[in-house]
Amino acid sequence: QQQVKQSPQSLIVQKGGISIINCAYENTAFDYFPWYQQFPGKGPALLIAIRPDVSEKKEGRFTISFNKSAKQFSLHIMDSQPGDSATYFCAASTQGGSEKLVFGKGTKLTVNP
Amino acid sequence: DTGVSQDPRHKITKRGQNVTFRCDPISEHNRLYWYRQTLGQGPEFLTYFQNEAQLEKSRLLSDRFSAERPKGSFSTLEIQRTEQGDSAMYLCASSLIGGEAFFGQGTRLTVV
Repeated sequence: QQQVKQSPQSLIVQKGGISIINCAYENTAFDYFPWYQQFPGKGPALLIAIRPDVSEKKEGRFTISFNKSAKQFSLHIMDSQPGDSATYFCAASTQGGSEKLVFGKGTKLTVNP
Repeated sequence: DTGVSQDPRHKITKRGQNVTFRCDPISEHNRLYWYRQTLGQGPEFLTYFQNEAQLEKSRLLSDRFSAERPKGSFSTLEIQRTEQGDSAMYLCASSLIGGEAFFGQGTRLTVV
């Protein structure tokens, strides 16, 4: 049973556009929600993370929106650039930190120049 | 480089052989995690350590898998009697307690 469902599986946007990736979770005990970026042949790199006491967190061009009642959270990439082309994973854990992260299946983002 | 280091980066082995991977975490991090990632999927949790103690193991970690972190610093992951289904990227990450996890670049295992 997949505990974190991520969509879409792939996404193509034009340079300068907004990329939006969505995740939904089932376990109400989750209390830490990070997003990771992964380039081919590399390990995942933490982009931004949120805890359920806030509904939105912004760092540069990246914003997480969190809806606790709907058990959903999303990543918005503003002014998308070709260098943002990568696979993005949402994740969740139950202990407020990085213990036993449960990952979504990933979204492959392509930003066309 | 003060990030998480994994060795080797690539390993090709014949079915039935044993393999061992090494992970060197960020030096001040007391937690160390192992994940497995297959093509087109997100990483799946395998096990984690706090200092030298192995605190949790996933059901994915069969009896052929063993992990150690003998002095609370580096860790090894051994797979005995490898099977083709073990082919994957094995990722190591480390963190402080309650902190963000930083991943290494992974060891890609191919079992032929």
